[in-house]
Parts: sequence; C-alpha cells; structure tokens
Amino acid sequence: SQKIEQNSEALNIQEGKTATLTCNYTNYSPAYLQWYRQDPGRGPVFLLLIRENEKEKRKERLKVTFDTTLKQSLFHITASQPADSATYLCALDWMDSSYKLIFGSGTRLLVRP
Amino acid sequence: EPEVTQTPSHQVTQMGQEVILRCVPISNHLYFYWYRQILGQKVEFLVSFYNNEISEKSEIFDDQFSVERPDGSNFTLKIRSTKLEDSAMYFCASSESTDGYTFGSGTRLTVV
Repeated sequence: SQKIEQNSEALNIQEGKTATLTCNYTNYSPAYLQWYRQDPGRGPVFLLLIRENEKEKRKERLKVTFDTTLKQSLFHITASQPADSATYLCALDWMDSSYKLIFGSGTRLLVRP
Repeated sequence: EPEVTQTPSHQVTQMGQEVILRCVPISNHLYFYWYRQILGQKVEFLVSFYNNEISEKSEIFDDQFSVERPDGSNFTLKIRSTKLEDSAMYFCASSESTDGYTFGSGTRLTVV
C-alpha cells in the first residue's frame, strides 16, 4: 500500500543554518507534492507545491526538490529563524484522485536562537 | 487575506449525541474538504466535496458522517451519534483548484 514517511524525530538546528527535511513515499507516483507548516493547535498552512515534472521550486527562503526516481522530496529553509520552529507536513495526492490529499506525520523543526 | 472560518472552536458533547461542525470556505473556492487530527497523530483525510457532491471519502467517513452545503457559503460536517474515538480536532479546508489548500483553525471536538 502507499506510504508517506517523514522523520519522526525533531530536527534541532542553530539560527542562521539551513534546515533540510525529508519526505519519502513508496508504491506510488504522485502527480504533485505539497508542503505545509503546522503550529500547535492550528490548521496546516500551505507553503509550496511541486509537480512531478518539476525538479525544484523556490519561494523566498524556502526550496523544495522532487526526485521521482528516488521517490523523495527535500524541503529546505535557508537562514533559519526561531520563528520557523513548527511541524512541517508533506502531502501527496492519492492515486489518481485529485480530490484526496494525504499527509505524512510531519517533522518538528526547532530553531535555537 | 481570505480565511476559512470554522465554528465553534471547541465543542463538548455527550457520547451518542449528534454534532454539526460548521465551516465558511473562501468565497471563490470550488473544492471543500474535511480532515481530522487526533491529538499527537497525523492529519487524516475524511471527505472532499466538489460541484455539490462528495468526490472522495475515506474509510473513516462511514454512515455516521455526512456533509452538506446548505447554502452558498456554509459547508457542514455532521456526526450522527458521536463515539469517544471521534474526539479530535476537525479541520475544514477549501481550494480554488486541487492545489494549495487553505485550512481553517479547526474545531476541537471532545466526546465525553
């Protein structure tokens, strides 16, 4: 069955460094992949979408890569700030359905001042 | 910036009671969704809604659940007979296309 895997261990980094989060998936080829940020007790906030025919997408300090051969997406935050501390969720469209976005369990990022 | 609005923010209900969770999606959005998140767990898909009908639903979305768009602005999730395991944060989301969902702040449902 299809599976989305994100590192369950928190990523703890120093302010100013680049944070890199990983999303792996198996048994499936999604048409697109999305990244969201979630703060405690709040709904996810959309950050970036990357399609299967795109290798890389950027938005301000954020960069996403998508390797369909490795079945992996990397999410980078450059010049990280304490305000970037949150849980980051990877989400994929499910099978051939454009109407069903499935989320990974997320990776918590802690940026130390 | 346009927002998805959910009410109430917190609902406590007795087991076996019916609850209705309400959502006002962004006005020009065409796709509507309900997700839930049990404390400490992942965000789980419940149902998607497009063109006034259900497009997809998960195994969680059984006969106890229903969705409605009673007018041009509201989108509701009804749970007919709540169970303890229905306690969770319920998120409504909407999107203009199938890209980039906008989520509401959620309704915390506590079943006692």
